[in-house]
Amino acid sequence: DAKTTQPNSMESNEEEPVHLPCNHSTISGTDYIHWYRQLPSQGPEYVIHGLTSNVNNRMASLAIAEDRKSSTLILHRATLRDAAVYYCILRPLRTSGTYKYIFGTGTRLKVLA
Amino acid sequence: GAGVSQSPRYKVAKRGQDVALRCDPISGHVSLFWYQQALGQGPEFLTYFQNEAQLDKSGLPSDRFFAERPEGSVSTLKIQRTQQEDSAVYLCASSLTSGYQETQYFGPGTRLLVL
Repeated sequence: DAKTTQPNSMESNEEEPVHLPCNHSTISGTDYIHWYRQLPSQGPEYVIHGLTSNVNNRMASLAIAEDRKSSTLILHRATLRDAAVYYCILRPLRTSGTYKYIFGTGTRLKVLA
Repeated sequence: GAGVSQSPRYKVAKRGQDVALRCDPISGHVSLFWYQQALGQGPEFLTYFQNEAQLDKSGLPSDRFFAERPEGSVSTLKIQRTQQEDSAVYLCASSLTSGYQETQYFGPGTRLLVL
């Protein structure tokens, strides 16, 4: 399975936008890009996913590069509640096997008041 | 609606004890996953059920780990003769189907500490 690379940590000021990058240079054409976040002492929480086009939902936006070798999760106005570890995960199309997630170590986002 | 629940939330065991961790998935969800998360790391896959069938147990670290889902809903992860290296958070996740586009809903986890 293709791997992702994320910065270990990032900081943002409250109420400012945050851009969380993810590199996935070996992505294949049918790999979905999923983002999850994990708040302290909680299980991972789905944020957003996409294939080729940029995606928006109530939590965030996902910007996918034209060559799909990188993507960026955008939080439009960071709040203290957004402090979490953010995971970028590739979801390959399988003809057999399990649709398990393969997590990396993610990006720890700190939001400053 | 109700999400995925896990119990107990915290478990302290003495080395060598057996433990059982319970997962209640979202009602009607076909797929159920168990993950193990060591401190400071991302979750790692342990095993997968589709209804009552355990289709993938490739991530179970040893034969001391055993999981079941006998009626296709509640699942139990059992660890026999616990070791200190088993200390971790055990996460359960469920999804509506086993399909390509399905996302997984995670429970809060059970934090296991083996002394």
